Amino acid sequence: EAGVTQFPSHSVIEKGQTVTLRCDPISGHDNLYWYRRVMGKEIKFLLHFVKESKQDESGMPNNRFLAERTGGTYSTLKVQPAELEDSGVYFCASSQDWARAETQYFGPGTRLLVL
Amino acid sequence: AQTVTQSQPEMSVQEAETVTLSCTYDTSENNYYLFWYKQPPSRQMILVIRQEAYKQQNATENRFSVNFQKAAKSFSLKISDSQLGDTAMYFCAFMKSTGTASKLTFGTGTRLQVTL
Repeated sequence: EAGVTQFPSHSVIEKGQTVTLRCDPISGHDNLYWYRRVMGKEIKFLLHFVKESKQDESGMPNNRFLAERTGGTYSTLKVQPAELEDSGVYFCASSQDWARAETQYFGPGTRLLVL
Repeated sequence: AQTVTQSQPEMSVQEAETVTLSCTYDTSENNYYLFWYKQPPSRQMILVIRQEAYKQQNATENRFSVNFQKAAKSFSLKISDSQLGDTAMYFCAFMKSTGTASKLTFGTGTRLQVTL
């Protein structure tokens, strides 16, 4: 069974540009989470999808971040326009059943560098 | 809001020795879950061990065990017989028990280096 995959693995962009990150969760997992780790700091929650619906988006930093999960399958996280402080590693995770507090399985992350 | 604190940014241990990574947390919740995740260099983060707060017995997974002290809000990870493959970043994490899937709150991590 394939794990959580993320694309791209690395992205280097200039301030003001747009970047779109993609996450493919484990097949059949209803829950999809986005997290971010800024250098040397803790991994912070961004948002949680249950299927195609946003269950919790309390961690989204501002309206430059837009997340979607079309059809309840893969998800994209768009940053537009990117700022220097958006640099970090963006992790995606998934878990199977919304009705249970299950282990979250993480992807390898996307390293974003905004210059 | 919950907070998780890992006070050891870096640790080193010799192969075959035992090491303990510390984690404390702050919450007003009575029911919750605690996790240790590990992220080896250039690899995905994987679950090491999980503890339900309502269980008094400490969780164990092979060479990995926890010391869960609910009153003290402490959740340390002990790695016995350390192996080179244990070299990784270790994150402690908290999840509220809401009866449904919920977000994780992480600490800042401890970088563990296992040496020969």
